[in-house]
Amino acid sequence: QSVLTQPPSVSGAPGQRVTISCTGSSSNIGAGYDVHWYRHNPGTAPKLLIYGNNNRPSGVPDRFSGSKSGTSASLTVAGLQPEDEADYYCQSFDRILSATGVFGGGTKLTVL
Amino acid sequence: QVQLQESGPGLVKPSQTLSLTCTVSGGSLNSVDYYWTWIRQPAGKGLEWIGRIYTSGRANYNPSLKSRVTISIDTSKNQLFLKLSPVTAADTAVYYCARATINPSDKTGYEDYWGQGTLVTVSS
Repeated sequence: QSVLTQPPSVSGAPGQRVTISCTGSSSNIGAGYDVHWYRHNPGTAPKLLIYGNNNRPSGVPDRFSGSKSGTSASLTVAGLQPEDEADYYCQSFDRILSATGVFGGGTKLTVL
Repeated sequence: QVQLQESGPGLVKPSQTLSLTCTVSGGSLNSVDYYWTWIRQPAGKGLEWIGRIYTSGRANYNPSLKSRVTISIDTSKNQLFLKLSPVTAADTAVYYCARATINPSDKTGYEDYWGQGTLVTVSS
């Protein structure tokens, strides 16, 4: 049971837009901690996609965007491409857990 | 370009100690702008944050692992270390080390550089 809740899977056709939700609580996202998003292809290192709720690192396409409101956050992928198929994780911190990092359970994005 | 490389035994017996080293190149462990993290992923499961260490040597651990884990750092060798003891089969996972840039807005961080990961299997 992850501290942050994500849907196990989402899917979309090439060119479509999908959104992945990340639901937390008043001790993590709702406490003001930022949310970060990572993409992970099995067998490779996870890659930072969004930091600080809605900032993209250099080199990440603007098809990826993030938002945060209250105790939840979301990642939107627009203009789906086959290479977007991967696992996506949200991350934040939790003050009840001594301000340690917490991840969502991960969402498998399938490009149909 | 910062690069991280995990190393250590791929097989550990139950009740023994898992010891991993992360060697960092292209960047210094001395910078106060970053901290260094260990994260793991058991097969078929999601990412789990193990703990972090700052340049000062101050460390924070996942409460669920705190009694068994130690993270340390050697800035002269640009290495960080993970020890987990005693281990059980539930500790079988791919272990990653990562650099986290400190987030000025909430003083936490986000992992912007990762190692490729190393699989550790706990089995007799």
